[in-house]
Amino acid sequence: GNSVTQMEGPVTLSEEAFLTINCTYTATGYPSLFWYVQYPGEGLQLLLKATKADDKGSNKGFEATYRKETTSFHLEKGSVQVSDSAVYFCALRGSPRHTGNQFYFGTGTSLTVIP
Amino acid sequence: EADIYQTPRYLVIGTGKKITLECSQTMGHDKMYWYQQDPGMELHLIHYSYGVNSTEKGDLSSESTVSRIRTEHFPLTLESARPSHTSQYLCASGFDRDTEAFFGQGTRLTVV
Repeated sequence: GNSVTQMEGPVTLSEEAFLTINCTYTATGYPSLFWYVQYPGEGLQLLLKATKADDKGSNKGFEATYRKETTSFHLEKGSVQVSDSAVYFCALRGSPRHTGNQFYFGTGTSLTVIP
Repeated sequence: EADIYQTPRYLVIGTGKKITLECSQTMGHDKMYWYQQDPGMELHLIHYSYGVNSTEKGDLSSESTVSRIRTEHFPLTLESARPSHTSQYLCASGFDRDTEAFFGQGTRLTVV
């Protein structure tokens, strides 16, 4: 079946530090992969996505590469800011032929960036 | 900016009351979803719909019910609210294949 395993938090970093949040997945077929961000009191917003192996998603200085060989989609940012403090969710969407095209979310990683 | 709206944003209600959480999207998405988010942040799929007159239960058993009479509207109803229903409820929608889901801002429900 499909599942997403995400690095547990909480994560606390100083401003300008390097960020990595690990995400690995199990999937049947060829899923699409996503990172979502949730700010306090809000819904989830798409941060970036990748729809096939070796694709790199990027947005707002965040990057993640779809690695089929290691079944991973780790989120990275070279220099975090206080405004990046939020909860980050890794997710996959199953391929249409398998599991009805549903979304599967990781458990979320809380990031706090201190000045 | 995604065009998916949830109302109310916050709701405090007494035990035994009937409530309906509204979710509407103006993007013409065929698929819509309801997630329950616990205080530990994890998302649990409780209902989804592939289109008009199609509804399915998700992975987490829920006493709530949903309907999909119009493409843009996917309300969630609790016939008799209980304190165990206290949670954040997130609605989402999307097209078929390869694309992301768009989320509403959520409804934070408290049953006292």
